[in-house]
Amino acid sequence: GAVVSQHPSWVICKSGTSVKIECRSLDFQATTMFWYRQFPKQSLMLMATSNEGSKATYEQGVEKDKFLINHASLTLSTLTVTSAHPEDSSFYICSARDPAGAVTGELFFGEGSRLTVL
Amino acid sequence: GDSVTQMEGPVTLSEEAFLTINCTYTATGYPSLFWYVQYPGEGLQLLLKATKADDKGSNKGFEATYRKETTSFHLEKGSVQVSDSAVYFCALSDRRGNNRLAFGKGNQVVVIP
Repeated sequence: GAVVSQHPSWVICKSGTSVKIECRSLDFQATTMFWYRQFPKQSLMLMATSNEGSKATYEQGVEKDKFLINHASLTLSTLTVTSAHPEDSSFYICSARDPAGAVTGELFFGEGSRLTVL
Repeated sequence: GDSVTQMEGPVTLSEEAFLTINCTYTATGYPSLFWYVQYPGEGLQLLLKATKADDKGSNKGFEATYRKETTSFHLEKGSVQVSDSAVYFCALSDRRGNNRLAFGKGNQVVVIP
């Protein structure tokens, strides 16, 4: 199946700094990627839909100035957590749709990035 | 809107036991249905899928049948192994627009040797 890769897999940063997480589709082009946040022992919360060449679409309650999303190419989307605080500590997961799977709606997920803000 | 409901609580069972995780859905139209598995510290992996009524998805000994009449997609495995310990998520895609997935809350499965 299609491969989606995230980097870094884990990151620790100081409060007030910004952290960038990359999501790459390795063997297909993804015009749309999705960013999720997962709290411990909970399901995935969709944060935003990343659209190549245009602005991301954010879910209600997600601060767009806090979580900056850039989808500059067909294989890369980035999530930047700006001025991170301890409450931003979480597991962030991206996903992408392989155009070959467009009919079924299947998404492929990255390995996840664990952010810890001290 | 579209939604997925999974049975409450973790599931703990012994090796070689039979596993069932219930999943029901609410959707307009004809969604695709999925089971994803998440091993500790990792992202989600597609376990199996079904795209239309009466389809049976299967993989690694797991099965689930798309039941439109009961709006269900229960996951089953006849004999679990310790390596099956993970969190299992039921999900649906309405196949419209950007193919957003609606997830259930997930079930932690712990298999004891």
